Amino acid sequence: GAVVSQHPSRVICKSGTSVKIECRSLDFQATTMFWYRQFPKQSLMLMATSNEGSKATYEQGVEKDKFLINHASLTLSTLTVTSAHPEDSSFYICSASGGANYGYTFGSGTRLTVV
Amino acid sequence: SQKIEQNSEALNIQEGKTATLTCNYTNYSPAYLQWYRQDPGRGPVFLLLIRENEKEKRKERLKVTFDTTLKQSLFHITASQPADSATYLCALDEATDSWGKLQFGAGTQVVVTP
Repeated sequence: GAVVSQHPSRVICKSGTSVKIECRSLDFQATTMFWYRQFPKQSLMLMATSNEGSKATYEQGVEKDKFLINHASLTLSTLTVTSAHPEDSSFYICSASGGANYGYTFGSGTRLTVV
Repeated sequence: SQKIEQNSEALNIQEGKTATLTCNYTNYSPAYLQWYRQDPGRGPVFLLLIRENEKEKRKERLKVTFDTTLKQSLFHITASQPADSATYLCALDEATDSWGKLQFGAGTQVVVTP
């Protein structure tokens, strides 16, 4: 089945630094990938839609200059959290579609802790 | 967007029994309603998808119903096992020009005891 690989699984960084998270579709091509954020005991919230070869579409309230998304190929999307602050600490998850009947395949998530 | 409600209280159930989870939404019915399983510290795993014109869908021990009149979906795990212990999320997919933009409920934790 469709597999989405996400790295790193955990990262701790200092406040003010930037962190890059990678999301790869391993056995299929994904023209569109999605980035979510999940705080403890809360639902996944869509942050942005990553489109191969074009600009990402951000949800309302998500700062595009802070959360940089690059989707340079059909199998790779990256999310860079720039100038991270402790309030950016969260669980970040990417996903891609395996087709209309198959739901979405999610990466294993990245636990970001900003200290 | 719309409000999606799942029971926030954990569902404790004995092995072998049927677990029933509820997902209610407030506004218009989505084109697709999906159920996912999420284990701690992991991304969600797709379980079942049901379309707005479908009443029921089954997959092995899982069953999903979709009632657009009640604006509700029920998710059943029959003959539950301890390995079924996880948080179960419902997600709405409106599948319009915003294809793939899922809205998730907060999930219901299921604990199956031997």
